[in-house]
Amino acid sequence: KAGVTQTPRYLIKTRGQQVTLSCSPISGHRSVSWYQQTPGQGLQFLFEYFSETQRNKGNFPGRFSGRQFSNSRSEMNVSTLELGDSALYLCASSLGGAQETQYFGPGTRLLVL
Amino acid sequence: TQLLEQSPQFLSIQEGENLTVYCNSSSVFSSLQWYRQEPGEGPVLLVTVVTGGEVKKLKRLTFQFGDARKDSSLHITAAQPGDTGLYLCAGATGANSKLTFGKGITLSVRP
Repeated sequence: KAGVTQTPRYLIKTRGQQVTLSCSPISGHRSVSWYQQTPGQGLQFLFEYFSETQRNKGNFPGRFSGRQFSNSRSEMNVSTLELGDSALYLCASSLGGAQETQYFGPGTRLLVL
Repeated sequence: TQLLEQSPQFLSIQEGENLTVYCNSSSVFSSLQWYRQEPGEGPVLLVTVVTGGEVKKLKRLTFQFGDARKDSSLHITAAQPGDTGLYLCAGATGANSKLTFGKGITLSVRP
């Protein structure tokens, strides 16, 4: 089975711009979660989508949003980028939910200048 | 807010040494997972512990879940350079919840 894929792998943006990241989960997995990883804060949960519905949400501002399509693929959008949004964004899929074993993609490294 | 504190934050040891690292919380978790992350990759699950007092072994790695299900430890016997990486613990509080991750322990094993 193919693993979780994320595109793009690297991205450079400037403050104020917006960005869309994409995630394709493992075939058959209906839950997709997004995490932000920084050296200072570690791995922080952004949100989880299950069967196209947001089921869990972390403590991030409304600039961070996501969606899931009928084929379970998911996108994450960050609007009005700030310098502090520079991070590794990880997508993870699982069979049943965000509390189960997370199968992570390699991440998208975002640098905001 | 459930917080998971991992210690030590950084550890650099010589190949062949033994080590123990910790994951502590004041909250009770229904399960606790350990992941290892290598540079340029996402975390990969090592083990899930569910029962208080449970001990699981994965080759040279031994994981223990505290009796009260609030803490966990990871012991590595005869560490090897291939054990180098970021070790993350993550706790779940129940169905339809999310995982709370600790900040991780960066382990470096020198040949």
